[in-house]
Parts: sequence; C-alpha cells; structure tokens
Amino acid sequence: GAGVSQSPSNKVTEKGKDVELRCDPISGHTALYWYRQSLGQGLEFLIYFQGNSAPDKSGLPSDRFSAERTGGSVSTLTIQRTQQEDSAVYLCASSLTGVMNTEAFFGQGTRLTVV
Amino acid sequence: EDQVTQSPEALRLQEGESSSLNCSYTVSGLRGLFWYRQDPGKGPEFLFTLYSAGEEKEKERLKATLTKKESFLHITAPKPEDSATYLCAVQVRNQGGKLIFGQGTELSVKP
Repeated sequence: GAGVSQSPSNKVTEKGKDVELRCDPISGHTALYWYRQSLGQGLEFLIYFQGNSAPDKSGLPSDRFSAERTGGSVSTLTIQRTQQEDSAVYLCASSLTGVMNTEAFFGQGTRLTVV
Repeated sequence: EDQVTQSPEALRLQEGESSSLNCSYTVSGLRGLFWYRQDPGKGPEFLFTLYSAGEEKEKERLKATLTKKESFLHITAPKPEDSATYLCAVQVRNQGGKLIFGQGTELSVKP
C-alpha cells in the first residue's frame, strides 16, 4: 500500500476485555515495529519483527501483551484483560529492512481507551 | 542506560523568528539519529537521519546537525505551518532497528 495502515483508528473497550489492533505495513517492508504513546509521554518501543520473527520483544510491558506477524506482512497486537493503564495511542511503523539504517514510516495509530 | 533528552519541552516563536531545538543522547553505540515531526492525531513523519558527528542535512526551513553528544534542529524563519511536535530518536548498535525516542519539543509558531 501507499503507507502504513492501522485499524481501528479508535477503540473503546471495557476493563478486562481483550482487544486486537491491526497493522498493514508498506508493501515490501520486512521490518515492522509497534510503539505506544501515552498522554504526555514519549514513544515507547514494544516489539520488533523481522519478517515473521520477533527478535526483540523487550518492550512488551506484561504477558497480557502479545503480537504476531503473518506472511511477512500484516501484524496484530493483542492485549488481554485490558487495564486502564493500557489506554494510549498504539503506533505501528515499517521500514525496508531492520538491519540497514533505513527510516521507519509510521501509521496514524490506534487510540485505545479502556473504561 | 541508553537515553534521549529533548529541550525545551515547548517553544513559542513568532513567524520569522529563527531558533533551535536540542536533542542530547547517551547511548552505548550510535547507529543513527532520527528527527520526526508529529502533528496532533497523526503518526510521526520522517524528516532526517544523521549517522556521524559533523553531518548536516537540510529540508526547506529545517537543518539538522549532529555532534558526538547531541543534535540540533535549526528552524530558519519559521511559518505557522511549522507548528508541530518534533521528535528525536536514536538507533543503537546491536539492538536491531528499534528507535529510542525523546519526549519531544512542542513548537508553536504564531503569525
């Protein structure tokens, strides 16, 4: 596609429910990243995919968070048993490779509100 | 610990009033330093990548420079449409492609 696409744009969920956030990277980009941006906070790294593998999951805040990537393309970030502190904007980015110094292009983000 | 600090947190300028934003970094090994622009409700938009001390890059009214400890984003004769949050981020050697971001500088340019 022309750019990184994320869905939904906004998601309101009740505390304790599970949510899935989707990311469609730019076609041909092998590297994919998830970040979280909380109100008044900087962007916080969550997980990095190279192809379908995740060599760096160090930013996932708890075992309620998981992510997968299939076909070297679409990625899904799943948050189980959501808590109010999970409320944030979740941003996905992709780059041509994760090895060379190529810039990452970001999607518009999914704004998650846990009530 | 790898860290990025941006200053000031917020900057108000009059149209045409040039200024600079600062990004200080402490990393074990710098692979690259990135500048992004973020408008409200949007994802960050890539501006520049700098790889080594002494490097400079320009785009319209923006110029980014890099030393061994910090980067500056110089804004010359800004216009109201330059108003946005400017984010600085670093990639660290042997840590894949992930970016470590600073908190950002919110720039407001008044006509």
